Amino acid sequence: AQSVAQPEDQVNVAEGNPLTVKCTYSVSGNPYLFWYVQYPNRGLQFLLKYITGDNLVKGSYGFEAEFNKSQTSFHLKKPSALVSDSALYFCAVRDRMTGGFKTIFGAGTRLFVKA
Amino acid sequence: DAGVIQSPRHEVTEMGQEVTLRCKPISGHDYLFWYRQTMMRGLELLIYFNNNVPIDDSGMPEDRFSAKMPNASFSTLKIQPSEPRDSAVYFCASSLWDPQETQYFGPGTRLLVL
Repeated sequence: AQSVAQPEDQVNVAEGNPLTVKCTYSVSGNPYLFWYVQYPNRGLQFLLKYITGDNLVKGSYGFEAEFNKSQTSFHLKKPSALVSDSALYFCAVRDRMTGGFKTIFGAGTRLFVKA
Repeated sequence: DAGVIQSPRHEVTEMGQEVTLRCKPISGHDYLFWYRQTMMRGLELLIYFNNNVPIDDSGMPEDRFSAKMPNASFSTLKIQPSEPRDSAVYFCASSLWDPQETQYFGPGTRLLVL
């Protein structure tokens, strides 16, 4: 069965420091991996995705994520955090072999960036 | 494009009443998804449609929940009768036909059942 784990409920970081939001996954085949962000009272917004190719994926707002097949991880990173990055972040996975369009979301990690 | 449109944005109702949530997907998108978000259970996929046909409704919690998509530009999620435990934020999302494509989410409907 597909699953996604975001081991941290909350990540705190000072503005200007690098940030990492962790995600590990479990699928039977090769995954499509996504990161979404949710601001208060809003729907989820797409940040970036891994489909194939280069393991380092660059996305919106300066975010990037690294696909690590051996560790089954897809951690979200940003070199220098902004206060405006404070939001709820979701990792999501689709099993390209069996899952079709069914997307499994992690529980979410709340990022708090302090000025 | 205006993005995914959901209505109402907020709904307060009493237990036992029927609730209907509405969604207009992005024009040209082939897939439509209904999700429910709660603090306890996170984001759950309820059902999704391809070209107006329900593909997977295994996430629909019980028979009180039903969803329809009568045409490519409109879908409803109905709860009858509603219960306090149905209180949540319900999101609609749509995407193009390719599984590589991202989903575009609407702003959500915040439902409170008293």
